[in-house]
Amino acid sequence: GAVVSQHPSRVICKSGTSVKIECRSLDFQATTMFWYRQFPKKSLMLMATSNEGSKATYEQGVEKDKFLINHASLTLSTLTVTSAHPEDSSFYICSARQTLLDSPLHFGNGTRLTVT
Amino acid sequence: AQSVTQLDSHVSVSEGTPVLLRCNYSSSYSPSLFWYVQHPNKGLQLLLKYTSAATLVKGINGFEAEFKKSETSFHLTKPSAHMSDAAEYFCVVSDLTSGTYKYIFGTGTRLKVLA
Repeated sequence: GAVVSQHPSRVICKSGTSVKIECRSLDFQATTMFWYRQFPKKSLMLMATSNEGSKATYEQGVEKDKFLINHASLTLSTLTVTSAHPEDSSFYICSARQTLLDSPLHFGNGTRLTVT
Repeated sequence: AQSVTQLDSHVSVSEGTPVLLRCNYSSSYSPSLFWYVQHPNKGLQLLLKYTSAATLVKGINGFEAEFKKSETSFHLTKPSAHMSDAAEYFCVVSDLTSGTYKYIFGTGTRLKVLA
């Protein structure tokens, strides 16, 4: 149980375009989802916390107008990278947690974004 | 604020020998602790979790970890390494801040298994 599906797994786009990444909890309801960015051989950097039905909470230094997060239902959160630039190329990972206190995070398989 | 320190960025072991990946944490209250594994270009998979029950926690794939409050440690062990264990391992502590759970990641330990 506790499967998180992230789509697409890989995407290549041109500079200036926007890319949407979907994160779905398949067999549980996720009131909270997290979006991370991971640089090569580095740990995960939390970008934002997404709560169902409310605005996302962004970490310091993350541009909310560039990384749009929507969490419209208990099973779906989306991250849209707007006006992408080559420096946005990275590995993006979502995770979700169930409503139980101290529930572990369940991760998607990540999205490799390459901006040309 | 809580923090997590993974003492070794790289660990190499021979196949069939024991694995020890070290993790120390700082916490102002009883933490929840997790170990995750990440294979290349993949998401993170939960190996095991500690949430104030038994201090010795058994996880998947033969891994286990022991919570030692006196040493503020949560080291990950496995009696016999397998080639498929080669991956990146992350120790994570959960932190309740302003009514929201945040998960603080260690910097990761890359495990290499030698044939």
